[in-house]
Amino acid sequence: SAVISQKPSRDICQRGTSLTIQCQVDSQVTMMFWYRQQPGQSLTLIATANQGSEATYESGFVIDKFPISRPNLTFSTLTVSNMSPEDSSIYLCSVEGDRRSSYEQYFGPGTRLTVT
Amino acid sequence: SQQGEEDPQALSIQEGENATMNCSYKTSINNLQWYRQNSGRGLVHLILIRSNEREKHSGRLRVTLDTSKKSSSLLITASRAADTASYFCATSGAGGTSYGKLTFGQGTILTVHP
Repeated sequence: SAVISQKPSRDICQRGTSLTIQCQVDSQVTMMFWYRQQPGQSLTLIATANQGSEATYESGFVIDKFPISRPNLTFSTLTVSNMSPEDSSIYLCSVEGDRRSSYEQYFGPGTRLTVT
Repeated sequence: SQQGEEDPQALSIQEGENATMNCSYKTSINNLQWYRQNSGRGLVHLILIRSNEREKHSGRLRVTLDTSKKSSSLLITASRAADTASYFCATSGAGGTSYGKLTFGQGTILTVHP
């Protein structure tokens, strides 16, 4: 299984500001995924980040609000821009394992964001 | 859109009892995975079952998959207080642009009383 770390683990931010969340994996992976979990809710996929290409966003999520970088095969960042209280959520990155793991998907510990 | 539905939404049992959670989905899948989440922290991967499998075991966990009914169940036997958590099913779509993307169910909150 992959070991994934995220920074920061939590933050409290003021509305109108931006926060960049980092995701580091202990092995090279082709695709990385970013999810959002709003309070008391399930997880929703924000975007898929492939190294060397633009991120692919799901319906309801746009690049201007959630710009993503993927500079190499072990690292990605998600920025939450111009934040409002509605952006208060847990943000999680994930990666898919290889064929030996039957493509299990593993998650980082999450970043708990509170916007005031 | 969320395609997974889980029931029950909440389950409260005594230590030693078995806990069964169900998950339904709407479209064809490549695999279905179950996760545990403690107190809003990161997700812990429990088990993956492929679309061509019907049952899988891992320790005290037993997962079944019925693709004709588009449903899965997670059974935790001999539950412990430490099993108290939220449990989510997540499906990976069959090929194309769905590759690798997970669609999550709404989750079941399990409380195991000592």
